[in-house]
Amino acid sequence: GENVEQHPSTLSVQEGDSAVIKCTYSDSASNYFPWYKQELGKRPQLIIDIRSNVGEKKDQRIAVTLNKTAKHFSLHITETQPEDSAVYFCAASKSNTGKLIFGQGTTLQVKP
Amino acid sequence: DARVTQTPRHKVTEMGQEVTMRCQPILGHNTVFWYRQTMMQGLELLAYFRNRAPLDDSGMPKDRFSAEMPDATLATLKIQPSEPRDSAVYFCASALGPGQGGYEQYFGPGTRLTVT
Repeated sequence: GENVEQHPSTLSVQEGDSAVIKCTYSDSASNYFPWYKQELGKRPQLIIDIRSNVGEKKDQRIAVTLNKTAKHFSLHITETQPEDSAVYFCAASKSNTGKLIFGQGTTLQVKP
Repeated sequence: DARVTQTPRHKVTEMGQEVTMRCQPILGHNTVFWYRQTMMQGLELLAYFRNRAPLDDSGMPKDRFSAEMPDATLATLKIQPSEPRDSAVYFCASALGPGQGGYEQYFGPGTRLTVT
């Protein structure tokens, strides 16, 4: 069945360093890949997404890359700040259903 | 700032009781998703609707869970009878729907359910 694997499960970085979270998906028909940030006790919030016709997308300190051949996509956060500390989820979906298959999440800790 | 709303935010109930959770999607969104979040299983899709019609409820235990959309502004998730293993945070999310290019899903604040 459809599956999304996410690594690492936990990531600790020093403030100002970069953080990279990687995901792989199983269904080659997937064509939409969002990333969500969830702070403790809060709802998941969409922070960036990418569609399969694009290889890279950037929004200030956040970027996402997609390699459709390898079925990999990654989230890159540069110049990390303590407020970036949260759980990050990747997901994949197909346009004909819209339903998201989530990765297991990465707990990011940014140490001041 | 349009947001998905959910009620109640917290629910504590005893095993065997009925639980009903409600969701109001963003006005104009025609696709509604129900997710369950636990530490062990992460975010799991339970069911989803488009234009009020159920499209997929394969993630839902059929014997005790039911989901409906009585109208375009209300989605409900019911558990009867509830069990301790149902303790989790239940999220509703809404989207415009792929047919309208609206892939983005926006989550509600969740209902934290504790079954004792």
